[in-house]
Amino acid sequence: DGGITQSPKYLFRKEGQNVTLSCEQNLNHDAMYWYRQDPGQGLRLIYYSQIVNDFQKGDIAEGYSVSREKKESFPLTVTSAQKNPTAFYLCASRSVYSNQPQHFGDGTRLSIL
Amino acid sequence: AQTVTQSQPEMSVQEAETVTLSCTYDTSENNYYLFWYKQPPSRQMILVIRQEAYKQQNATENRFSVNFQKAAKSFSLKISDSQLGDTAMYFCAFMGLNTGFQKLVFGTGTRLLVSP
Repeated sequence: DGGITQSPKYLFRKEGQNVTLSCEQNLNHDAMYWYRQDPGQGLRLIYYSQIVNDFQKGDIAEGYSVSREKKESFPLTVTSAQKNPTAFYLCASRSVYSNQPQHFGDGTRLSIL
Repeated sequence: AQTVTQSQPEMSVQEAETVTLSCTYDTSENNYYLFWYKQPPSRQMILVIRQEAYKQQNATENRFSVNFQKAAKSFSLKISDSQLGDTAMYFCAFMGLNTGFQKLVFGTGTRLLVSP
């Protein structure tokens, strides 16, 4: 079955460490997205990529980095510069050749130890 | 910049009844899409329904329908014959042409509780 796989489901980070969240899709979608969700708030866009080797900052990119070396993969690194990283992170993808909605993965919960 | 407002933080309804969730948005665009996503306790984001702004007919998907009022910039979701499985957070979202339909702007969500 086609879909979006995020791993791990739960992730813990020590202060001062970088951590990378995985997102893989087999939907043959060109565009991929990372969102952050905090309690009482909607999803906020961190980064997005419309094509391999290219990506753009979203609304809250500070303290995060991404890469897009393969169409299927869009990993997100939460760096030590992100002062409040504890949140739920959602990855999404969509086809850019039609105005289709974004499809979401199951998310990763990141917590600080 | 576009904004999406959901003014009802929480709603409750009894099983088999009908409930309407409100959403308003602010945009100067004419070409855009609106969505309702459902996020159950499992936290997966599930698309419920979508509306294209240039279509006057309101979208329907089984028990879910929308009331799209373009001039008023209103996009409410009606759930008929509510079921226990409808308990979830519901997010309204906007996607416009000025970002190449690349960015979704979300509201803060409405928590819906369906009780027996």
